[in-house]
Amino acid sequence: GIQVEQSPPDLILQEGANSTLRCNFSDSVNNLQWFHQNPWGQLINLFYIPSGTKQNGRLSATTVATERYSLLYISSSQTTDSGVYFCAVGYNTNAGKSTFGDGTTLTVKP
Amino acid sequence: GAVVSQHPSRVICKSGTSVKIECRSLDFQATTMFWYRQFPKQSLMLMATSNEGSKATYEQGVEKDKFLINHASLTLSTLTVTSAHPEDSSFYICSAELIGGGVLETQYFGPGTRLLVL
Repeated sequence: GIQVEQSPPDLILQEGANSTLRCNFSDSVNNLQWFHQNPWGQLINLFYIPSGTKQNGRLSATTVATERYSLLYISSSQTTDSGVYFCAVGYNTNAGKSTFGDGTTLTVKP
Repeated sequence: GAVVSQHPSRVICKSGTSVKIECRSLDFQATTMFWYRQFPKQSLMLMATSNEGSKATYEQGVEKDKFLINHASLTLSTLTVTSAHPEDSSFYICSAELIGGGVLETQYFGPGTRLLVL
């Protein structure tokens, strides 16, 4: 099956700093999503981005499907950004039938 | 945004009992829902795809007789862990697929159910 690799596995930032999270995948995909899992376990979808670039406030994401990677940018990080960020990819029309990466655990310190 | 609920949020049961977890899409209809399992400090593993009005599709290695899935309506899917054992203790998360105007949008996750089998 498809392999999904996220980097870095852990990231510690000072509040206000910027960061880039990466997601590499081993095969062609037609859906890719970024999620944030908060400390209580709730998954919040950030972007559905099989290709191209999207921005939402301090977050933006870019997927280069031909090169099999996606990047999530977090600017001016806040303590509430802490948690685990997952990339999930798939190659059929069901968005939910996806393979998740192992996640990047982000800790933002005040 | 779309809301998915799960009930219960937390359950503790004795080994050998069965536990039912409900997943509801509150403000949209979902023909397809998904069930995931997440162990501590690990990623999400897809267990099965739940389709309204038909049998669920299970991922390789997931026992369909152990994890019974019923998707009886467009807003409700249930996962029953039968004869639960301590190794079934985990965080179970459902998601529902949102399709708008015939176009796939994304999936929304429930808050999860923490199962502890003693």
